[in-house]
Amino acid sequence: EDQVTQSPEALRLQEGESSSLNCSYTVSGLRGLFWYRQDPGKGPEFLFTLYSAGEEKEKERLKATLTKKESFLHITAPKPEDSATYLCAVQASLEKLSFGAGTTVTVRA
Amino acid sequence: ETGVTQTPRHLVMGMTNKKSLKCEQHLGHNAMYWYKQSAKKPLELMFVYSLEERVENNSVPSRFSPECPNSSHLFLHLHTLQPEDSALYLCASSQDIRGSGYTFGSGTRLTVV
Repeated sequence: EDQVTQSPEALRLQEGESSSLNCSYTVSGLRGLFWYRQDPGKGPEFLFTLYSAGEEKEKERLKATLTKKESFLHITAPKPEDSATYLCAVQASLEKLSFGAGTTVTVRA
Repeated sequence: ETGVTQTPRHLVMGMTNKKSLKCEQHLGHNAMYWYKQSAKKPLELMFVYSLEERVENNSVPSRFSPECPNSSHLFLHLHTLQPEDSALYLCASSQDIRGSGYTFGSGTRLTVV
């Protein structure tokens, strides 16, 4: 069974303090790894898809990287508007995304 | 209107009630999904529809009954729910079941009393 573990569960940062979120996974035959952002009271918003080890994607202050066993979401010089829950998901079988429990990031001004 | 729209946003129902959740997507996608999100837990896949046919039912209790009348609409019919069914129910769509870049709705916050 596919397993996705995210750490830490919660992360409190000062504005400008860079950090990384971890997503470790166990799947047979990774088809894709996905990062989403979820704000309170809203559905997840798609950020990135990574397909193979060594791949990197960037969007504003966010950078996602992928190895054979884990993915990192780096937040560089975060701002309060980066506060959200970040979800990682993997796709092995065709119909299913398996999600982690998320990391809730709080950025203080 | 664009994206994935879910109604109602909030729902409180008794254990003997029958209600339905509605999801509509305006993206021209061919696959639609129901997920359950409980506090501090990963999203749980409930149902998958591809081209209006159900392709996965993830061992969901029969008190949840999905319906997909066309590729733009998805319903989740609820009856005789339990308090532990209280959660955020999310609808999502994707171009096809290969799944890249799901688009989620804002969810229905369900409380069973």
